Amino acid sequence: DGGITQSPKYLFRKEGQNVTLSCEQNLNHDAMYWYRQDPGQGLRLIYYSQIVNDFQKGDIAEGYSVSREKKESFPLTVTSAQKNPTAFYLCASSISRLYNQPQHFGDGTRLSIL
Amino acid sequence: KQEVTQIPAALSVPEGENLVLNCSFTDSAIYNLQWFRQDPGKGLTSLLLIQSSQREQTSGRLNASLDKSSGRSTLYIAASQPGDSATYLCAVSIGSFGAGTRLTVKP
Repeated sequence: DGGITQSPKYLFRKEGQNVTLSCEQNLNHDAMYWYRQDPGQGLRLIYYSQIVNDFQKGDIAEGYSVSREKKESFPLTVTSAQKNPTAFYLCASSISRLYNQPQHFGDGTRLSIL
Repeated sequence: KQEVTQIPAALSVPEGENLVLNCSFTDSAIYNLQWFRQDPGKGLTSLLLIQSSQREQTSGRLNASLDKSSGRSTLYIAASQPGDSATYLCAVSIGSFGAGTRLTVKP
């Protein structure tokens, strides 16, 4: 079945450590997105990518970095500069970033601080 | 910047009731509006997508309407069931989400 796979499901970060969240899709979608979800709040866009080797900052990119070396993969690194990383992280994709295309989501990664 | 609001934040109804969830947005220049369902600890499942040129979309017991001029969308759920219990989120175009309505349907 086609879909989006996020791993790991749970991740713990130590002080000063960078951690990387994986997102892989086999939907042949060009566009991919990373969102952060905090309790009681809507999703906030961190980064998005419209094609391979291209990505753009979203509303809350500070303290995060991404890469898009393959169409299928869009990993997110939470750096030590992100002072409040505890959240639920969701990866999504769409056929393109044309605005009439629906988004499809993975099952998320929950990041906590040790 | 687009602001998306969902009211109420939580709703509890007995099984079998018809119900309406609301989504409002501040900028009417939208491309589409998408309704999602989120179960606890899970990702989002797409329910309905309404293009900006459309007024409504239907899927089974779900019907979503869109009124761009007033900045509103509603999700109508007919004959609610306990399995409908989840958080329902609306998203305007790409990147602008409401905080969701947590729905509980009691047997």
